[in-house]
Amino acid sequence: GENVEQHPSTLSVQEGDSAVIKCTYSDSASNYFPWYKQELGKGPQLIIDIRSNVGEKKDQRIAVTLNKTAKHFSLHITETQPEDSAVYFCAASEASGTYKYIFGTGTRLKVLA
Amino acid sequence: EAQVTQNPRYLITVTGKKLTVTCSQNMNHEYMSWYRQDPGLGLRQIYYSMNVEVTDKGDVPEGYKVSRKEKRNFPLILESPSPNQTSLYFCASSSLGPSGNTIYFGEGSWLTVV
Repeated sequence: GENVEQHPSTLSVQEGDSAVIKCTYSDSASNYFPWYKQELGKGPQLIIDIRSNVGEKKDQRIAVTLNKTAKHFSLHITETQPEDSAVYFCAASEASGTYKYIFGTGTRLKVLA
Repeated sequence: EAQVTQNPRYLITVTGKKLTVTCSQNMNHEYMSWYRQDPGLGLRQIYYSMNVEVTDKGDVPEGYKVSRKEKRNFPLILESPSPNQTSLYFCASSSLGPSGNTIYFGEGSWLTVV
């Protein structure tokens, strides 16, 4: 089955700097890769996603890149702000029709003011 | 407002005392799922359901039961809770269609089994 590894587990950056979180997956059949942000005391919320037919997607300060050959995808946050502090999860969806999502172990991002 | 509502949000219970965590969604989603979140392990799927009366095991189903008698509800049942089921639980839902649809999560239920 699918396995998703996420690094780093914690990341501290200065406000205004960029943050990059990386994930690798094992199942070459996976074709959907969402990123979720979990703020303290809340459930995860989708912030951006990418499908396997696209190499990069951008939404204001956040972007996701996908390298299908290497089976890894990354979240990029530019001009970080204190409100970006949260736990971020990547996920991969098995393309078998079961809609089974495998999540990474999460990255705790701290943006230092 | 699109919502996944789960109750209770916080619960302390004793080993062996059956409990149910309810989950309801108002988006008419076919797909519903339960996850548990543990430090260092991320989100692990317990059970999921593709539609009414259709349920299937996720990665960590042991010690849990679910039912899907109505489209909007997907309760999680712990018949005989044990301390290793102390965790943060999330219910989630999604529409079905081409692979890759947004999962909407509830706010989470903190469960402590003593």
